[in-house]
Amino acid sequence: AQSVTQLGSHVSVSEGALVLLRCNYSSSVPPYLFWYVQYPNQGLQLLLKYTSAATLVKGINGFEAEFKKSETSFHLTKPSAHMSDAAEYFCAVSDTGTASKLTFGTGTRLQVTL
Amino acid sequence: EAGVTQFPSHSVIEKGQTVTLRCDPISGHDNLYWYRRVMGKEIKFLLHFVKESKQDESGMPNNRFLAERTGGTYSTLKVQPAELEDSGVYFCASNFGLTVGYGYTFGSGTRLTVV
Repeated sequence: AQSVTQLGSHVSVSEGALVLLRCNYSSSVPPYLFWYVQYPNQGLQLLLKYTSAATLVKGINGFEAEFKKSETSFHLTKPSAHMSDAAEYFCAVSDTGTASKLTFGTGTRLQVTL
Repeated sequence: EAGVTQFPSHSVIEKGQTVTLRCDPISGHDNLYWYRRVMGKEIKFLLHFVKESKQDESGMPNNRFLAERTGGTYSTLKVQPAELEDSGVYFCASNFGLTVGYGYTFGSGTRLTVV
């Protein structure tokens, strides 16, 4: 069974600083990986997804993530944080290419300070 | 296009009562999923419909939970009788097609509080 570990339930960065949110997965087969964001009082919004194409995936709002098979990681980064990035971020994995359930991490709440 | 719609957005009920949550997926999306997040924990899968059929209900916690999707359109999730541990945010998601490449669209969730 697959699993997802997100290190750090809370991350705080200064506006303009690098954002790095960590995600490690375990899967017995090549995974499909996702990052979702939840802004206050809103649903989950897809930031980006890896589906076995390019290992560096670019998403919305300047975020990107790199799939590293050797490290079983899919960390999310953004070069310069903005106040509007404050939200909760979820990493998720699917171990099949067919439409099926996602397994989520516990989430990381990002705080952006002035 | 309209997104995935869930209602109510909030529900507060007493232990032992019944609550029904509704999800309207994006029109034309055959796949519909229910997830739940208990406070501070991960978002957990409950079940997956393909049209009106239950494809995977391995995440349903117990027989107090009943999900239906009559006609393959909207879905309901009934909790009867509700217990304190059922409190959490219930998310619905839908997607089109047979592969994960299409992504999943989530609703805003229903926050259920059992007191």
